[in-house]
Amino acid sequence: AQSVAQPEDQVNVAEGNPLTVKCTYSVSGNPYLFWYVQYPNRGLQFLLKYITGDNLVKGSYGFEAEFNKSQTSFHLKKPSALVSDSALYFCAVRDQGGGSQGNLIFGKGTKLSVKP
Amino acid sequence: DSGVTQTPKHLITATGQRVTLRCSPRSGDLSVYWYQQSLDQGLQFLIQYYNGEERAKGNILERFSAQQFPDLHSELNLSSLELGDSALYFCASSVWSSSTDTQYFGPGTRLTVL
Repeated sequence: AQSVAQPEDQVNVAEGNPLTVKCTYSVSGNPYLFWYVQYPNRGLQFLLKYITGDNLVKGSYGFEAEFNKSQTSFHLKKPSALVSDSALYFCAVRDQGGGSQGNLIFGKGTKLSVKP
Repeated sequence: DSGVTQTPKHLITATGQRVTLRCSPRSGDLSVYWYQQSLDQGLQFLIQYYNGEERAKGNILERFSAQQFPDLHSELNLSSLELGDSALYFCASSVWSSSTDTQYFGPGTRLTVL
């Protein structure tokens, strides 16, 4: 069965410092991986996805993610954090099996807090 | 703005009642997905429709049902509501039903069952 784990409930970063939000996955086929961000009282906004190709994926708002097949990880990164990046971040993997094929399986989310 | 719209934004109702949540996908998108977000269960997939037909089912209760209409908008019907159904319900859409498609989410409908 496909699954995603986000080992940190919360990540605290100072503004201007690099940030990393961790995600590991378990899939039976090709990993199709996604990152979404949720601001308070808002829907989920798509940041980036890995389907195939380069292990470093660039996305919206200066975010990027590194796909590592050997470590089954897909960590979200940003070189310089902004206070406005404070939000809830979700890693997701596409379900490729059974009757729920095609939907997203989400991690529990990581709350990112960027302090000035 | 993702281009996916959901109505209403908030819904407050009583146990035992029935409600309908509505979703309009992005222009051109054929697939609609419904997800439930709650504190204890996190984000969970409920059901998917593609071009009017049910494509995939997740952890959707028998009290819940959905449909997608010819104009591609979708409705999620929740009946015999219980306190535990209180959650944020998201609709998402994608162009096709491919595993590589990006799903774009609406702002959600917050359901409170009293």
